[in-house]
Amino acid sequence: KQEVTQIPAALSVPEGENLVLNCSFTDSAIYNLQWFRQDPGKGLTSLLLIQSSQREQTSGRLNASLDKSSGRSTLYIAASQPGDSATYLCAVCVYNDMRFGAGTRLTVKP
Amino acid sequence: EAQVTQNPRYLITVTGKKLTVTCSQNMNHEYMSWYRQDPGLGLRQIYYSMNVEVTDKGDVPEGYKVSRKEKRNFPLILESPSPNQTSLYFCASRLTRSTSGAQFFGPGTRLTVL
Repeated sequence: KQEVTQIPAALSVPEGENLVLNCSFTDSAIYNLQWFRQDPGKGLTSLLLIQSSQREQTSGRLNASLDKSSGRSTLYIAASQPGDSATYLCAVCVYNDMRFGAGTRLTVKP
Repeated sequence: EAQVTQNPRYLITVTGKKLTVTCSQNMNHEYMSWYRQDPGLGLRQIYYSMNVEVTDKGDVPEGYKVSRKEKRNFPLILESPSPNQTSLYFCASRLTRSTSGAQFFGPGTRLTVL
């Protein structure tokens, strides 16, 4: 059964730093991988979608990579801002389901 | 605008009082699903539907029912809610179950069962 792990569980950085969030999954048979942002008590905002055949996707200050063979993805955030503070969720799309990691809670301090 | 909508967004109810959370999508998606999100447990799938009149259990289906009479709607029914069903619920949809396209999520329904 597909399991998704995110490390670290929480991260606190000063404004302006570049940072990397990690996601690993146990089964490489995925359709795609999505990174989401979730503000406290709110819904999920899709940030980036990487198809299983792709290696990376970029949107603004965000860059996500995918290494399907090793079961790993990273989300790189450049020049972090206080507004980036949120929980970031990684999810892999499989045949009947989408499996989520527990998330990384990011705090960017001014 | 392509979207998944849920209603109500917030609901406080009492044990045993039947309730329905509605979910609707306007993207002509075949595949729809329900998740619950609990602290420390992440998002877990409750039920999913591959198309009209086709539904199946996810990881945590106990205490829930669903129906899929129309392609756009996928309501979640709690026949006799209990306090352990207090949670944040999300409806989601994607084109088909085997697509590599993105999955879209509704805004969430925060349910409290007293």
